[in-house]
Amino acid sequence: GENVEQHPSTLSVQEGDSAVIKCTYSDSASNYFPWYKQELGKRPQLIIDIRSNVGEKKDQRIAVTLNKTAKHFSLHITETQPEDSAVYFCAAKYGGSQGNLIFGKGTKLSVKP
Amino acid sequence: GAGVSQTPSNKVTEKGKYVELRCDPISGHTALYWYRQSLGQGPEFLIYFQGTGAADDSGLPNDRFFAVRPEGSVSTLKIQRTERGDSAVYLCASSPEAAGYNEQFFGPGTRLTVL
Repeated sequence: GENVEQHPSTLSVQEGDSAVIKCTYSDSASNYFPWYKQELGKRPQLIIDIRSNVGEKKDQRIAVTLNKTAKHFSLHITETQPEDSAVYFCAAKYGGSQGNLIFGKGTKLSVKP
Repeated sequence: GAGVSQTPSNKVTEKGKYVELRCDPISGHTALYWYRQSLGQGPEFLIYFQGTGAADDSGLPNDRFFAVRPEGSVSTLKIQRTERGDSAVYLCASSPEAAGYNEQFFGPGTRLTVL
């Protein structure tokens, strides 16, 4: 079946450093790639997304890059802050424009002050 | 405006019992999704509705699981003869429509514990 692999599973950085999380997907028809942040006991919340016709998107300290040929995409967080600590999930929309999301297993990011 | 809501927030049941989990999507959202999230895992797709019809139910693990959305708004996920392995957080999400690049807005989830 369709699959999204996410690495690393845990990531610890010092406040102010950058964090990078990488994902690969298997469905070549996937055209939408959101990233969600989930704090402990809370619902997942969208932080940034990218469409397949775009290679990079930035929103303040957060950026996402997409390589359609290699079928991988990455989340970059710069100048990390303790409040960035959470679990981050990547996802790919399976089956083209009408499909559902397939999620990675998550990355637990810890930002140490 | 109000976000996606789910009831109950917690449900404890005994093995073999029947449970219903409810999802109220954002008003006007035609697409509604159900996911299951086990501890330390990402949300796992179960089923999604576009309007009243189930557009894709390929994620339902077996025939003990069923979901309905009779009027195209509120949805109920029904689990028969619950098993301990069904214990998880059940998340609901809605989006303006299923097609395209629409954000899925998640509810707070229902934590189901099967004893």
